[in-house]
Amino acid sequence: TQLLEQSPQFLSIQEGENLTVYCNSSSVFSSLQWYRQEPGEGPVLLVTVVTGGEVKKLKRLTFQFGDARKDSSLHITAAQPGDTGLYLCATQYNFNKFYFGSGTKLNVKP
Amino acid sequence: KAGVTQTPRYLIKTRGQQVTLSCSPISGHRSVSWYQQTPGQGLQFLFEYFSETQRNKGNFPGRFSGRQFSNSRSEMNVSTLELGDSALYLCASGQGRPYEQYFGPGTRLTVT
Repeated sequence: TQLLEQSPQFLSIQEGENLTVYCNSSSVFSSLQWYRQEPGEGPVLLVTVVTGGEVKKLKRLTFQFGDARKDSSLHITAAQPGDTGLYLCATQYNFNKFYFGSGTKLNVKP
Repeated sequence: KAGVTQTPRYLIKTRGQQVTLSCSPISGHRSVSWYQQTPGQGLQFLFEYFSETQRNKGNFPGRFSGRQFSNSRSEMNVSTLELGDSALYLCASGQGRPYEQYFGPGTRLTVT
């Protein structure tokens, strides 16, 4: 069992649609990060959430940290082809080791 | 500031050989972490170095090793390469509380 479970694994949508991806765990975290990775490149940090219930916005992307700090979601409004990529959540746990979820592969079709 | 750089970007090696990958962190970052990314296993943590000391280690065999120099640059070495070591190797540097990591573009290693 993975520490961070992401869903869905794959998402293919049309430009202009909204979507939400999830990152869930049974463990409590002090912080959680979201990254986007494009093929052949390293992940790019999008946001860090630290407070239960926290909501952060980055243009059309809205990130939420669950009240109990066990889960997080990423909502994209009016998706664009440039949003295509692998979305990863990550955290530090177990004596500060780094863990990543398996990711959600998003494809936004024009 | 310049980002994290990794060299080489691509590498082809034969089973049984060894390989050394290099990473230069963002200026001022003292922590460097290494990851292996494969389609089947995703992103897996190899180890973290801070001020020339290994601070944390993932669950990889001893064939995987690393080191960090006084200027924070880091290298990782894989000895006796196996086909399953084919992967994208990513380096990240970071700092702060909460800790935030910034990744390099990776080294694509292919073992034949």
